[in-house]
Amino acid sequence: NAGVTQTPKFRILKIGQSMTLQCTQDMNHNYMYWYRQDPGMGLKLIYYSVGAGITDKGEVPNGYNVSRSTTEDFPLRLELAAPSQTSVYFCASSEQRVTEAFFGQGTRLTVV
Amino acid sequence: AQSVTQPDIHITVSEGASLELRCNYSYGATPYLFWYVQSPGQGLQLLLKYFSGDTLVQGIKGFEAEFKRSQSSFNLRKPSVHWSDAAEYFCAVGARGGADGLTFGKGTHLIIQP
Repeated sequence: NAGVTQTPKFRILKIGQSMTLQCTQDMNHNYMYWYRQDPGMGLKLIYYSVGAGITDKGEVPNGYNVSRSTTEDFPLRLELAAPSQTSVYFCASSEQRVTEAFFGQGTRLTVV
Repeated sequence: AQSVTQPDIHITVSEGASLELRCNYSYGATPYLFWYVQSPGQGLQLLLKYFSGDTLVQGIKGFEAEFKRSQSSFNLRKPSVHWSDAAEYFCAVGARGGADGLTFGKGTHLIIQP
């Protein structure tokens, strides 16, 4: 069982570069989420989606964009990377809203 | 909006000793409550959850948690810890009538002494 798969696991970006963090789930979950984790700060919700074609902002959406063209995929786009976006990013999915979420292994991003 | 407080940033426990990690939440009604564990370099794994009913819930790896409405708490316990329990523990709340997604506490780092 793959569950939630994130790629890449690690990435170093230069300031101003762009990249896409990939997230795929094979559980047919409607709900998908992107969180960022900073040391001592827990996880903050960036964006979420309640189904294909529907996305909405979370607590910290600035500097990010998402799309949801299929049930399985929920990529996160950074257009102009900034040092403040250095973080560990987690994608998650759930069967229903505010029920247990299943997490990917995370992407560690460093912006220099 | 809901919030979660984990008062202890670090906790050190001797192997074989009992453990209690504290979690307090702020929400106007009965929330959905969760405990997750994160091992170094890994994603988050669900330990247990509370939705309704019995306020003492059992989870994986010998963990349990008790929902106390009067104290707005959902503390995690284990009677005897093992070295493999060393990890970061996160309490999270989901609002039944609020925004989507879970709100997480800042985490408690558990250190196990031999």
